[in-house]
Formats: sequence, structure tokens, C-alpha cells
Amino acid sequence: EAQVTQNPRYLITVTGKKLTVTCSQNMNHEYMSWYRQDPGLGLRQIYYSMNVEVTDKGDVPEGYKVSRKEKRNFPLILESPSPNQTSLYFCASSLARGSGQPQHFGDGTRLSIL
Amino acid sequence: GNSVTQMEGPVTLSEEAFLTINCTYTATGYPSLFWYVQYPGEGLQLLLKATKADDKGSNKGFEATYRKETTSFHLEKGSVQVSDSAVYFCALSDRWSGGSNYKLTFGKGTLLTVNP
Repeated sequence: EAQVTQNPRYLITVTGKKLTVTCSQNMNHEYMSWYRQDPGLGLRQIYYSMNVEVTDKGDVPEGYKVSRKEKRNFPLILESPSPNQTSLYFCASSLARGSGQPQHFGDGTRLSIL
Repeated sequence: GNSVTQMEGPVTLSEEAFLTINCTYTATGYPSLFWYVQYPGEGLQLLLKATKADDKGSNKGFEATYRKETTSFHLEKGSVQVSDSAVYFCALSDRWSGGSNYKLTFGKGTLLTVNP
């Protein structure tokens, strides 16, 4: 089954404790991206990657890091989480063949930073 | 920059009622347009899309037509079911916006509740 898998689904942690949210897709997609979803603000892009070792900032990259060492994986790293990063996070992937390609989303990771 | 405006709701309908969720957009280039649906506790799923003017996207009884002259992509369904209760997002991806980023610009979502 074609899917984007995120882990964990839920996490409660404390300020400053490094965490990683994993994202893996099994569709051989080149393009991957992270979004955060906040009430009243909708979904905003954090980082994206066009292929292995090719990453770039989205609209709200502050406080986040990413890496793309393998095509299927695109982890989101919070080196020193803060309460304003409490949010619902989504990973997405698609073929890199133009903006008309549908993007496939994971089920989301709900982070609470205390 | 790019933006999407959609009616925020919430929208509450009775089963078999007609649904319209309005969506208008602003884009610097020639965008592709999408409707995504989010069921409780799940990620976003593509509902339908259109990639050029006058295209009609359709799926599961939902339809939307890409209207370049009015910069709109309104979602419609003739007869909603309880199972259609979800949050609906209008989104665009602009092929001219900066090369390699297929970023989706989303509206804020519309919560639809369908009562039996």
C-alpha cells in the first residue's frame, strides 16, 4: 500500500530536549515536505526536499532542521524545542514532475512542548 | 505572493443537502488547484484537482471547476452524506513560483458536519 508514515503520532516533551519526527514514504517520490498546522493559521511549509541531499527552507523554518540521506526518509529535527513549536505536523511527498502532482500526506504528529 | 481564501464555516447540513464551499485564489503564475479532505485524526487526502483553466476535477460526487477569469475553484456536491463530515482545504501549487518548490498554499479549511 502506498503510504507516508510518520512517527511518533503523539509526543509530549519538555523545552530544550532534542527530538526527531521521522517520515518515510514507499512510493519512490523525489519531493518531500514538512508542514505544521495551527488553528487560525492553517498549514504552513517548514522545509522541503527535491531529492537526496537537496533541501531548502519553506515559510517557517526557524527552530527546525531536516536531512535527506535516503530517498524514502525525511526526518524533522527539533534541536531545542520550545512551546511555540507545539503543533500538528504533517509530512508530504510527491513525484517531482511539476506542480500538478498530488501530494500524499502522513497521518500527522501531534507535538506538545511543555 | 500566493494566497487562498475559503469560507471558514463551520458548515452544518442535513443529509442529501447541496454543498458549496467557496474558494478564491491569488497567484503570481499559473497554478494547479486542489481540494484536500481531512477526516478526524487523519492526514490530508487529495479529493480532486485541476491543472488548467476550465478543467473540472471530480471525485466521490464532489466537483470543482478551475475558473481563471474569477480566480475561483468552488467545491460542490449535489447530495452530501454523513460520511462526508470532515475538514475541506482548498490549495494551490504555483509552477512559476520559484522553480523547485511544489509548496501547497492552503486556505484555512472549512469544517463540514452532515447530520442524519
